[in-house]
Amino acid sequence: GQQVMQIPQYQHVQEGEDFTTYCNSSTTLSNIQWYKQRPGGHPVFLIQLVKSGEVKKQKRLTFQFGEAKKNSSLHITATQTTDVGTYFCAGPGSGGYNKLIFGAGTRLAVHP
Amino acid sequence: NAGVTQTPKFQVLKTGQSMTLQCAQDMNHNSMYWYRQDPGMGLRLIYYSASEGTTDKGEVPNGYNVSRLNKREFSLRLESAAPSQTSVYFCASRPTGYGYTFGSGTRLTVV
Repeated sequence: GQQVMQIPQYQHVQEGEDFTTYCNSSTTLSNIQWYKQRPGGHPVFLIQLVKSGEVKKQKRLTFQFGEAKKNSSLHITATQTTDVGTYFCAGPGSGGYNKLIFGAGTRLAVHP
Repeated sequence: NAGVTQTPKFQVLKTGQSMTLQCAQDMNHNSMYWYRQDPGMGLRLIYYSASEGTTDKGEVPNGYNVSRLNKREFSLRLESAAPSQTSVYFCASRPTGYGYTFGSGTRLTVV
């Protein structure tokens, strides 16, 4: 079945350092979405990428969609303690875009 | 501006008991979803409803049933709870072609 894999599973950084999480799919994706979940909270939608090679920025966050539309990355510049949480990527499941298959997530810890 | 509302927030069940998790959205979204989240395993889709009157199985449907009562409400039922169903359950809705809005979750423990 379709799989969406994320690496690393966990990363801890010093405040001010950069952070990157990577997402890889076993199949070509029509789009990819990214979510953030704070500890004890629920996932919150960050962004959707649709085009091959697309790059989008949200303040210190940069999202990329690979040319082959099988991988994606999220890069955070100069992390802050407010960035703590788990970041998930998600792609459409087989049989239609109506359902998303989530990666296992990357948990980010930021030490002040 | 409630978004997606889930009840209850916490529940403890004994093995074999049944319960229904309620979910309602006020954003007029067609699609609604139930996911479970277990440590280190991300979010796994249980059931979804692409529109009122339709439901489909996701990755892990065994042991669950759903009802799309109307456009607003999508409930998840555990007929005979098992310890393996201890998890955090999230309901979500989405407009066509955009991101999910999740509820705050139900933390279920089956003892």
